[in-house]
Amino acid sequence: AQTVTQSQPEMSVQEAETVTLSCTYDTSESDYYLFWYKQPPSRQMILVIRQEAYKQQNATENRFSVNFQKAAKSFSLKISDSQLGDAAMYFCAYRSAWGSARQLTFGSGTQLTVLP
Amino acid sequence: GAVVSQHPSRVICKSGTSVKIECRSLDFQATTMFWYRQFPKQSLMLMATSNEGSKATYEQGVEKDKFLINHASLTLSTLTVTSAHPEDSSFYICSARGDRGDYEQYFGPGTRLTVT
Repeated sequence: AQTVTQSQPEMSVQEAETVTLSCTYDTSESDYYLFWYKQPPSRQMILVIRQEAYKQQNATENRFSVNFQKAAKSFSLKISDSQLGDAAMYFCAYRSAWGSARQLTFGSGTQLTVLP
Repeated sequence: GAVVSQHPSRVICKSGTSVKIECRSLDFQATTMFWYRQFPKQSLMLMATSNEGSKATYEQGVEKDKFLINHASLTLSTLTVTSAHPEDSSFYICSARGDRGDYEQYFGPGTRLTVT
């Protein structure tokens, strides 16, 4: 079974600064997807960024980018120019590319605080 | 993007009663729906996966008779908490996925259940 580990329960960053959230995973599969989701105080899950394992290029979405290291099974999220609205719980998630269910496996989350 | 709604957003019920939570995909056909439970400051725990017209598949440790899931149409799934007890109080989130190529999961806004 796949596991996702987020070793930083809490992080803080000064507004306009850069912060990196860590995520490692364990799998024997070669084809899969990785995601970062944001859950603000409203608790609505919001997809931040997605990475296909077969793509070597790191995904980027505006101020959000990932550092995907497939061999090391590492998938970190970098938030540049942090804004107050970035404050949320961030979950790293894994999904198999194959299989009928293909459900998400979530990490334990990192609570990000943005300091004004 | 795809929209998933949940109703109600909040519900309070008395111990021993049953409560039904609806999850609807508003602009796509959801062949698969997922139900999660989330405790404060914790990750999402998958309770069950349902495919339209089929019986739900429950995760280990989830009581099938207590958490009844019905996925009767391609746009509607319901979770009924039967004979609710205070320990069932939690935040319940549904997620829906279509048969599109990306197999992306879209999340509802969640339902806060309080059992008194």
